[in-house]
Amino acid sequence: LAKTTQPISMDSYEGQEVNITCSHNNIATNDYITWYQQFPSQGPRFIIQGYKTKVTNEVASLFIPADRKSSTLSLPRVSLSDTAVYYCLVGDNSGNTPLVFGKGTRLSVIA
Amino acid sequence: NAGVTQTPKFQVLKTGQSMTLQCAQDMNHEYMSWYRQDPGMGLRLIHYSVGAGITDQGEVPNGYNVSRSTTEDFPLRLLSAAPSQTSVYFCASSYGTPHASYNEQFFGPGTRLTVL
Repeated sequence: LAKTTQPISMDSYEGQEVNITCSHNNIATNDYITWYQQFPSQGPRFIIQGYKTKVTNEVASLFIPADRKSSTLSLPRVSLSDTAVYYCLVGDNSGNTPLVFGKGTRLSVIA
Repeated sequence: NAGVTQTPKFQVLKTGQSMTLQCAQDMNHEYMSWYRQDPGMGLRLIHYSVGAGITDQGEVPNGYNVSRSTTEDFPLRLLSAAPSQTSVYFCASSYGTPHASYNEQFFGPGTRLTVL
């Protein structure tokens, strides 16, 4: 099971781009990288997933270098509503081992 | 689609009481899971089910029971509540196994449980 390491917290001003990096040195060949977002008093929700290079959707971008030992979630021009905890998950593709959400990164967006 | 629903939203129990947290999904997902989240902590898997009639233990199963009689419902039972079970409980469902990160999990709104 690939263990992930991400910063405990980050602060940003509105309108800035925020990059949250997750380290996963032991990622396996078939593992995918998935990010979830959790707003206060809500359950987590899926925001983006990737295997390599770059993935972009309407919410965020995910950058994965060639060695796949880390990944960076990029949130463009954040607003107050982006204040949340962001979890990086890397899964055992066999599905035999439960995923670990970890403590995530608490992003606080300041006006 | 209502997605994943959980009841109740809030519950206060006394030590030793029992109760059932309800979870239902209308997406026809085979996989359902229960997590608990303690302050400042990530989510920890309690139990999960890969289909009706099949359940398995997660990371922190002690003190909890589950059963899966239908695809839609996955209740979590606390047999004898303890203060250590004070937490927020989330139910989730997914099309594929929750163990694989490429399978998107859909979470309910949570149940906030306090055990006195």
